[in-house]
Amino acid sequence: AQSVTQLDSQVPVFEEAPVELRCNYSSSVSVYLFWYVQYPNQGLQLLLKYLSGSTLVESINGFEAEFNKSQTSFHLRKPSVHISDTAEYFCAVSVRGNTPLVFGKGTRLSVIA
Amino acid sequence: EAGVTQFPSHSVIEKGQTVTLRCDPISGHDNLYWYRRVMGKEIKFLLHFVKESKQDESGMPNNRFLAERTGGTYSTLKVQPAELEDSGVYFCASSQDLGGPDTQYFGPGTRLTVL
Repeated sequence: AQSVTQLDSQVPVFEEAPVELRCNYSSSVSVYLFWYVQYPNQGLQLLLKYLSGSTLVESINGFEAEFNKSQTSFHLRKPSVHISDTAEYFCAVSVRGNTPLVFGKGTRLSVIA
Repeated sequence: EAGVTQFPSHSVIEKGQTVTLRCDPISGHDNLYWYRRVMGKEIKFLLHFVKESKQDESGMPNNRFLAERTGGTYSTLKVQPAELEDSGVYFCASSQDLGGPDTQYFGPGTRLTVL
């Protein structure tokens, strides 16, 4: 079975500061990796995903995540956050196509002006 | 193109009552998933439809939960009778079957409160 650990339940950060949200996973087989974001009063939106190929993946709003197989990690980073990045971020894995996602508990990012 | 929609957005019921949640997936998406997030915990898988067939219902908590997807379009999730521990946010997601890794698109969720 797979599991996902997001060690930080809450991360406060000042506007324009860098941020890293940590995600580690456990699996005996290869996985696909995802970061979803939930803005206040909205549903889950896909932020970025790693399926294969380049281990560094980017989103359109400046976030990036790097798949590290040896450390079984998929940390999410942004060099300079904005107030609008305040949201809850979920890391998730699946073992192949068309199968359920396994989620971490989520990290609530609060950007402070 | 419309996204995944869920109805209602909120539901408050008393213990012992019945509630039915509805999910309309993105048109053309054969895969439909139900997930639930209980307060303070992770989002957990409930079940997976491929068209109208239940592919995997290993996450359904007990027989008080009944999911259907007649005709392979929208899906309903009925809780009967509801218990206090059923409170949480129920998410629906859909994806295309492209023969490889799929991307699941989520609805806004239904927040269920059982009093």
